[in-house]
Amino acid sequence: SQQGEEDPQALSIQEGENATMNCSYKTSINNLQWYRQNSGRGLVHLILIRSNEREKHSGRLRVTLDTSKKSSSLLITASRAADTASYFCATGQVDSGGYQKVTFGIGTKLQVIP
Amino acid sequence: DTEVTQTPKHLVMGMTNKKSLKCEQHMGHRAMYWYKQKAKKPPELMFVYSYEKLSINESVPSRFSPECPNSSLLNLHLHALQPEDSALYLCASSQEWSYDTQYFGPGTRLTVL
Repeated sequence: SQQGEEDPQALSIQEGENATMNCSYKTSINNLQWYRQNSGRGLVHLILIRSNEREKHSGRLRVTLDTSKKSSSLLITASRAADTASYFCATGQVDSGGYQKVTFGIGTKLQVIP
Repeated sequence: DTEVTQTPKHLVMGMTNKKSLKCEQHMGHRAMYWYKQKAKKPPELMFVYSYEKLSINESVPSRFSPECPNSSLLNLHLHALQPEDSALYLCASSQEWSYDTQYFGPGTRLTVL
């Protein structure tokens, strides 16, 4: 099964509204990252939050991490039509050899209506 | 410069063809990755190259063969592919292979006829 599972799988909001996406995972992690992907194109890194952090901000983005609940959320404030994209969480686990395995969740497809 | 470049952007090939996908980064990153992404699915890791050491997702069939000519280049050689291999192939790089942000290229859209 997927390590990261986003909720909801699809979200449609009006421009100016806030969008919240959630990610749940099953095993312990070293970090969690959020990526954005426009249709059929490469992924753009948004934020990395480490397992000892609880919240991070970047511009209109706010990410929280609750390791006790094994969940994270991505909040986009004051959404714009250009925010329309798919958003993926990706969990990072480092093995005993120091190598990171990154596993992507199934993604949330966000549509922002002008 | 945080750019990872991939060529070609699109590739159509027959099941008997041999082709290669190319990936290049000039950020001095020491780890490079190949991912496969099917439509409406998340990316799945295929290979990791770090410090000239290859790590393989053991579910990847042998018709996919990675090659790392130098620390800036990562190729993916394709041979005798199947139609179900049609997907977006994404290359990424990171400073190190641990705890690091991965920077993705735009991808190569592969269609196998």
